[in-house]
Amino acid sequence: EPEVTQTPSHQVTQMGQEVILRCVPISNHLYFYWYRQILGQKVEFLVSFYNNEISEKSEIFDDQFSVERPDGSNFTLKIRSTKLEDSAMYFCASRETSGRSGELFFGEGSRLTVL
Amino acid sequence: AQSVTQLDSQVPVFEEAPVELRCNYSSSVSVYLFWYVQYPNQGLQLLLKYLSGSTLVKGINGFEAEFNKSQTSFHLRKPSVHISDTAEYFCAISGGGADGLTFGKGTHLIIQP
Repeated sequence: EPEVTQTPSHQVTQMGQEVILRCVPISNHLYFYWYRQILGQKVEFLVSFYNNEISEKSEIFDDQFSVERPDGSNFTLKIRSTKLEDSAMYFCASRETSGRSGELFFGEGSRLTVL
Repeated sequence: AQSVTQLDSQVPVFEEAPVELRCNYSSSVSVYLFWYVQYPNQGLQLLLKYLSGSTLVKGINGFEAEFNKSQTSFHLRKPSVHISDTAEYFCAISGGGADGLTFGKGTHLIIQP
């Protein structure tokens, strides 16, 4: 069964360092998302991406965050200069079609720990 | 603005007992409603969704949920739980101008033997 894959599963970094989280969405999907979940809190929407550009972003997604689809398969989230409060589980998701009724398929998540 | 409230952070239940996980939402526009499950060390998996039509929705693994518009609720139920149902359950809505989903904080279902 096709699935969304994420790497790394866990990354530990020092405050101020750049981090890139990688995702391979399901191959025929066109809509891509990043969510994050700070420990003990809600899963929060960060950004959606379609047709090689951001379609929507939340207020959390500030200038230190960026997303990219560098090739036909990967979808990355970059955090330019990590802060302690960026420690969270980051989930990538993809969807085949537009429309809010379509199912989002999630990866297993990348746990980021900022020291 | 939209919001989803899952009042119970943890629900302990004995095996083979019924369970209900509560979800209430707030939105000024029509929404679609979802329940996702996260098993230990896995990603989020769709359990079921309500788009329109019958307010009782059946999902995978014997779960069902009922949409109640007047109470703005979408509670998840299972008549008899199994140890393998131990997981985190997330209620979510989509709608309005937001492209993504709005999630609740999740409910940890703990099945006791």
